Amino acid sequence: ETGVTQTPRHLVMGMTNKKSLKCEQHLGHNAMYWYKQSAKKPLELMFVYSLEERVENNSVPSRFSPECPNSSHLFLHLHTLQPEDSALYLCASSQRYGDSSPYEQYFGPGTRLTVT
Amino acid sequence: AQSVAQPEDQVNVAEGNPLTVKCTYSVSGNPYLFWYVQYPNRGLQFLLKYITGDNLVKGSYGFEAEFNKSQTSFHLKKPSALVSDSALYFCAVRDPRRALTFGSGTRLQVQP
Repeated sequence: ETGVTQTPRHLVMGMTNKKSLKCEQHLGHNAMYWYKQSAKKPLELMFVYSLEERVENNSVPSRFSPECPNSSHLFLHLHTLQPEDSALYLCASSQRYGDSSPYEQYFGPGTRLTVT
Repeated sequence: AQSVAQPEDQVNVAEGNPLTVKCTYSVSGNPYLFWYVQYPNRGLQFLLKYITGDNLVKGSYGFEAEFNKSQTSFHLKKPSALVSDSALYFCAVRDPRRALTFGSGTRLQVQP
C-alpha cells in the first residue's frame, strides 16, 4: 500500500444529498491533492493544499468544497452534485509542493462516486 | 502551459516480448517527467521519474524509460512483458512550482 487511505471506497448519493470524502496520509507529507478521474479523460487536478493552505483551485464548481484541517487529513465535501460528477476521486500526497524539487505523488485507492 | 500526450489508447503485446508505451511532452524549461501505473480498482502507483542526468531511468517492476530531449519524448519500456503488467499507464510532467499534468493514459494488454 502507498500510505494514503481514502474512505469510503464507494459512494452512491442523490443530487440533493450532502456527503464527504475523507483522505488520510501516513507519510509525513506536507502537500495533499484531490483529483477527478472520469472515463476516457485525463486526470483532472481539483485542489492542492500545501501546509494546510489551499494553493490551487482549478476552476472547480462550488458544489465541491475541500477542507484540510491538518497536514495528514483532507476532506472533500459534496453537495447538490450532478450526474456528470460521477467519477473516481483520487487523493494524493507529496513531500512538498511549489519548489523546484520533483517529489513524486503517492495516491490513495480512490472513492468511486455515483450520483443518481 | 505544460502538457503531455499519450498517442495510443491501448497497446497489445505478447508475454515475453518487449513493450513500449509512448509519451511526448511540452513544457517550458527543464521537465520533470513521471510514469505511474493504475491497476483495476486501485489508485496510481509511482513507477519512475526523470529529473536530470542519465537519459535512461530505471524504475519498479523492471520498467525503464528513455528521455529524449530533441524529440520531447519519455517512452516507457520493458524488455520482457508479463501478463501481470496489464494495467493503465500514465505519463506526467511537472514544471517547477506546479502540480503534475497527466496524460490521458494508455491501457497495456499483455496476452499469454
